Amino acid sequence: AQSVTQLGSHVSVSEGALVLLRCNYSSSVPPYLFWYVQYPNQGLQLLLKYTSAATLVKGINGFEAEFKKSETSFHLTKPSAHMRDAAEYFCAVSATGGGNKLTFGTGTQLKVEL
Amino acid sequence: GAGVSQTPSNKVTEKGKYVELRCDPISGHTALYWYRQSLGQGPEFLIYFQGTGAADDSGLPNDRFFAVRPEGSVSTLKIQRTERGDSAVYLCASSWGGQENTGELFFGEGSRLTVL
Repeated sequence: AQSVTQLGSHVSVSEGALVLLRCNYSSSVPPYLFWYVQYPNQGLQLLLKYTSAATLVKGINGFEAEFKKSETSFHLTKPSAHMRDAAEYFCAVSATGGGNKLTFGTGTQLKVEL
Repeated sequence: GAGVSQTPSNKVTEKGKYVELRCDPISGHTALYWYRQSLGQGPEFLIYFQGTGAADDSGLPNDRFFAVRPEGSVSTLKIQRTERGDSAVYLCASSWGGQENTGELFFGEGSRLTVL
């Protein structure tokens, strides 16, 4: 079975500051890991994914995440936050990597302040 | 449009009524998924289709919930004898199947169900 834990349901940063959204996973088999973003009144959109290749994954809009097996983590970062980054972010895990049956975390709402 | 389309976008019904939610996936996607998202929670897996058949329905909460995909394209999620606890946003997603699968799910905007 797989699960993810997102620490912090709400994160607030200043525009231009570092964004760090935390995700820890649990999986009985090598995991595939994903970050999705949900903007208001829009569907979930894939930010980036880890599928057992490079441990540092770069995604859209300047986001990246690093897979750390020893820490069972897949934290999402962005060096400089922008107002348009305000959204809800979900970490998800899949055992097969085939995209089916993703298990999502409870989400982190990112607020960006001037 | 070229994305996943879900109808209706909003549905208000009374307790005990029957509800159908429709999903039209991206053309060519053989895999289709239904998730449910309650307030303050992440999406929760319900069922997954590969083609016309349900490959995994382990997330359906009880026998009041049923989903079909008769022609391998459009899917309908059916909820009988709705209860107030069924109120949530129902999300549909699709993806490539087999060797074309990149691991990415493409989500629709969801159908918000409110049971009074």
